[in-house]
Amino acid sequence: DAGITQSPRHKVTETGTPVTLRCHQTENHRYMYWYRQDPGHGLRLIHYSYGVKDTDKGEVSDGYSVSRSKTEDFLLTLESATSSQTSVYFCAISESSGSATTGELFFGEGSRLTVL
Amino acid sequence: KNEVEQSPQNLTAQEGEFITINCSYSVGISALHWLQQHPGGGIVSLFMLSSGKKKHGRLIATINIQEKHSSLHITASHPRDSAVYICAVTGRRDDKIIFGKGTRLHILP
Repeated sequence: DAGITQSPRHKVTETGTPVTLRCHQTENHRYMYWYRQDPGHGLRLIHYSYGVKDTDKGEVSDGYSVSRSKTEDFLLTLESATSSQTSVYFCAISESSGSATTGELFFGEGSRLTVL
Repeated sequence: KNEVEQSPQNLTAQEGEFITINCSYSVGISALHWLQQHPGGGIVSLFMLSSGKKKHGRLIATINIQEKHSSLHITASHPRDSAVYICAVTGRRDDKIIFGKGTRLHILP
């Protein structure tokens, strides 16, 4: 199994508070992704990173920021959480992007966030 | 219209049946992924392919690039195969990964 861990796994917070989710990998993979999964929507990309300090927005990036200061860590921050950000968040990693041989995705176990 | 469409959305079958889940996409791709998610569980990559067919145990994935279509087959289905199966594609133009909404499979004993 790929070494990828997310923390915290569960969090309940109040509207307006900041929240940071951490994704940690031990695989030295270049690409890291943050997705949210909601009923009826499937997985949607929030932000992704293609190297240290190299990040880009996904389709649902509003209200979220990310940072990657080390290869192994990708942080997702909700500066001021809202109820619409209640979701399950998944981190994923891949060695490369687009390659049919090295682009396999490995997912963390998910972080369930509830914003009251 | 979603760029990745899966069918059926839900499927219930008896143990032992042959299962087919379909995925159609509308963009040029460099790879297609099949993923599995058990209830309350994490997401596991089953296959990644760009052409032809791949087999792993009772699972077979095929792709037809010209028709922009892929199928996931499960032979001799078992209740432990009950899960959500997700199709995703990596866009050739921008390497963005686009996910289908998943197919919920329930195998009855």
